[in-house]
Amino acid sequence: AQRVTQPEKLLSVFKGAPVELKCNYSYSGSPELFWYVQYSRQRLQLLLRHISRESIKGFTADLNKGETSFHLKKPFAQEEDSAMYYCALSDNYGQNFVFGPGTRLSVLP
Amino acid sequence: KAGVTQTPRYLIKTRGQQVTLSCSPISGHRSVSWYQQTPGQGLQFLFEYFSETQRNKGNFPGRFSGRQFSNSRSEMNVSTLELGDSALYLCASSLAGTYNEQFFGPGTRLTVL
Repeated sequence: AQRVTQPEKLLSVFKGAPVELKCNYSYSGSPELFWYVQYSRQRLQLLLRHISRESIKGFTADLNKGETSFHLKKPFAQEEDSAMYYCALSDNYGQNFVFGPGTRLSVLP
Repeated sequence: KAGVTQTPRYLIKTRGQQVTLSCSPISGHRSVSWYQQTPGQGLQFLFEYFSETQRNKGNFPGRFSGRQFSNSRSEMNVSTLELGDSALYLCASSLAGTYNEQFFGPGTRLTVL
């Protein structure tokens, strides 16, 4: 069965510091991987997905199949990045979808 | 485009009752997925509907069921409610499935007393 782990429940960094939110997965095939974010009092929304290979709001994530990881990174954190971040996995056919437990990022002034 | 809407937003029921939640997807989206969110278990996938057919189901008991109509609107039903069913129920719509970007609704907060 596929599984997504996010080892940190809470991550606190200072404004301007680099941030890395960790995500590891277990899946036997080639997964579709996503980062979803929920800002305070807003809906859950897609931040980025690995196949698009783009940077959104300064965030990037690289799929490392050898380490089965999809860590989210940003070189300089901003206070508005404070939110709940969920890593998620879907198989190629969309037949199985699983969220990780989430990491709350707090960017301190 | 109007976003995903869910009704009702809040619901209070007692054990043993049943409940129906509704979700209206973004126009043109054919896939609707349902999730249960609780502090203890996080976000858990319930099921996905595409073109009126249940395409995938998570690990939930048969008391949880759903359906999708020809206009892609979806309903979720929970029968014989238990205290542990208290949760935020989210629905999400996408063009073709969970491997696409999903757009989430605001959720229905269900409290079972």
